[in-house]
Amino acid sequence: AQSVTQLDSQVPVFEEAPVELRCNYSSSVSVYLFWYVQYPNQGLQLLLKYLSGSTLVKGINGFEAEFNKSQTSFHLRKPSVHISDTAEYFCARIQGAQKLVFGQGTRLTINP
Amino acid sequence: NAGVTQTPKFQVLKTGQSMTLQCAQDMNHNSMYWYRQDPGMGLRLIYYSASEGTTDKGEVPNGYNVSRLNKREFSLRLESAAPSQTSVYFCASTQIGGSNQPQHFGDGTRLSIL
Repeated sequence: AQSVTQLDSQVPVFEEAPVELRCNYSSSVSVYLFWYVQYPNQGLQLLLKYLSGSTLVKGINGFEAEFNKSQTSFHLRKPSVHISDTAEYFCARIQGAQKLVFGQGTRLTINP
Repeated sequence: NAGVTQTPKFQVLKTGQSMTLQCAQDMNHNSMYWYRQDPGMGLRLIYYSASEGTTDKGEVPNGYNVSRLNKREFSLRLESAAPSQTSVYFCASTQIGGSNQPQHFGDGTRLSIL
């Protein structure tokens, strides 16, 4: 089965520091990948998506991700984080015709 | 824009009780989904409906039933609640499932089974 693995369950960083949240996927012919963010007590919001084309994808709130086919990775990055970025982040992929498969989530904690 | 609306937001049940979680979307989306979220496990698909009149099982369907009432509404029913069903439940929708478009999520229903 196609899968998504988020390598870190928790990532603590200091405010204004850069951050990378790691995501690896199982290889297949076609890959469509997403990053979602979940703020406390809320649903999931789409940060960015990779469907095809440029491997560097820019999303909302200053986040970007790079699709790397050789390393089967889709890591999420931000050059300078803010307290408001504290949230849980989920990497996901399309599976088959209808389904979205999620990674386990990474909780990002920003320390002042 | 309301987007995806879930009711109720919180619920506490006793083991063996039944209840229905409601979901409605106002984006004219064709496909709708029910997920559960548990710590360290991400979101897991319970059931989905590719279009009005169709439903299919996801990864963890046991103990649940669904109804696609019309294009807007997709409900999830627990016939006899068990403590293992304590979770946060999310409904989502997308224009056309399989079109690689992102799903839009509701704010969730936090369900505790005692």
